[in-house]
Amino acid sequence: KNEVEQSPQNLTAQEGEFITINCSYSVGISALHWLQQHPGGGIVSLFMLSSGKKKHGRLIATINIQEKHSSLHITASHPRDSAVYICAASTGTASKLTFGTGTRLQVTL
Amino acid sequence: EADIYQTPRYLVIGTGKKITLECSQTMGHDKMYWYQQDPGMELHLIHYSYGVNSTEKGDLSSESTVSRIRTEHFPLTLESARPSHTSQYLCATLGKKLFFGSGTQLSVL
Repeated sequence: KNEVEQSPQNLTAQEGEFITINCSYSVGISALHWLQQHPGGGIVSLFMLSSGKKKHGRLIATINIQEKHSSLHITASHPRDSAVYICAASTGTASKLTFGTGTRLQVTL
Repeated sequence: EADIYQTPRYLVIGTGKKITLECSQTMGHDKMYWYQQDPGMELHLIHYSYGVNSTEKGDLSSESTVSRIRTEHFPLTLESARPSHTSQYLCATLGKKLFFGSGTQLSVL
């Protein structure tokens, strides 16, 4: 069993839909990261959070430490949101990162 | 914003060659990481460092070495390249969030 699991693995949505991507982890963490990777592109950090909720534009990330669960929400989705979204758990003094397998999101017109 | 640089961007070499992939950052971050990523697949940790002269092995470290003589610089060396090393290599740093370099696409013939 992976220490960090994401769901769904693939997601197709129509433009404007509200999207939720889930991440569950089984280790004690110091922080949880949400990353975005466009096809053929680099990896961009969206959020780093250790508690509560963060919002940036149409993106919202939440984390429940007790349940070891985090969610990434995209409101009013757009085709440019099509990408792979990856959660990563940061553990230990060196903040070693354990990655989920990613969620491939496709937003259509 | 992201002052993390990887060189070369692309590299094609023959089997058995020794190669060094460069990663530099100007943000003064102590924590740096090397990952390997095949197309459409998850990231695998090769090595990480939490400061000068402090390095640790990741999951795929057995055929490579790293050094951290200066905060800004975290080179990755493959002593004897093999076709199985063909992949994308990504360097990252961790400050208030993660920053990823553009990657080195390595092809070993």
